[in-house]
Amino acid sequence: NAGVMQNPRHLVRRRGQEARLRCSPMKGHSHVYWYRQLPEEGLKFMVYLQKENIIDESGMPKERFSAEFPKEGPSILRIQQVVRGDSAAYFCASSPVNGEPQHFGDGTRLSIL
Amino acid sequence: GESVGLHLPTLSVQEGDNSIINCAYSNSASDYFIWYKQESGKGPQFIIDIRSNMDKRQGQRVTVLLNKTVKHLSLQIAATQPGDSAVYFCAENIGDYKLSFGAGTTVTVRA
Repeated sequence: NAGVMQNPRHLVRRRGQEARLRCSPMKGHSHVYWYRQLPEEGLKFMVYLQKENIIDESGMPKERFSAEFPKEGPSILRIQQVVRGDSAAYFCASSPVNGEPQHFGDGTRLSIL
Repeated sequence: GESVGLHLPTLSVQEGDNSIINCAYSNSASDYFIWYKQESGKGPQFIIDIRSNMDKRQGQRVTVLLNKTVKHLSLQIAATQPGDSAVYFCAENIGDYKLSFGAGTTVTVRA
């Protein structure tokens, strides 16, 4: 029973490039959440999606960041024109319904040169 | 070993002893709380959860205590083992889906 799968595990981009982070939720889970973690800090909520719908993106910067969870395929977190401050670990979690424990993937570590 | 002072980020404990990790939460409206364990290079791993209509819940070697009066949560680990070394986060559920994470406590188990 596979858990939450994220790829790539590590991603290096130069300033100004685009970063695409992918997340496949656990089987049977239709709720996906993205969080960002800076070194030695807790995770910060970014966005909550259900299939084809963004439910809450209040934690996501208004510019350059976008997320989607299409009917088919993984959820994608896209960061356009990356800057050094985007360097962080990005974690995806999924749950079967609201109010149930969120289960996390092992994250994508994004480094900006 | 016990992390006293809610802002203490590290806890060193002798193997075989019990560990107590403390956490303060901020929102009196929070009704669901989760403890996660995060090992280096990995994502948070669910340990145990508790809802606000309870004040204690037990799992395998772990117990979570909730004191709503002072907005305090604790995780007790019995007979701490080397594999318990990790960063432990408490998270409160806000608005049914957003998790708000604490800063984390680093637990180091001494052999």
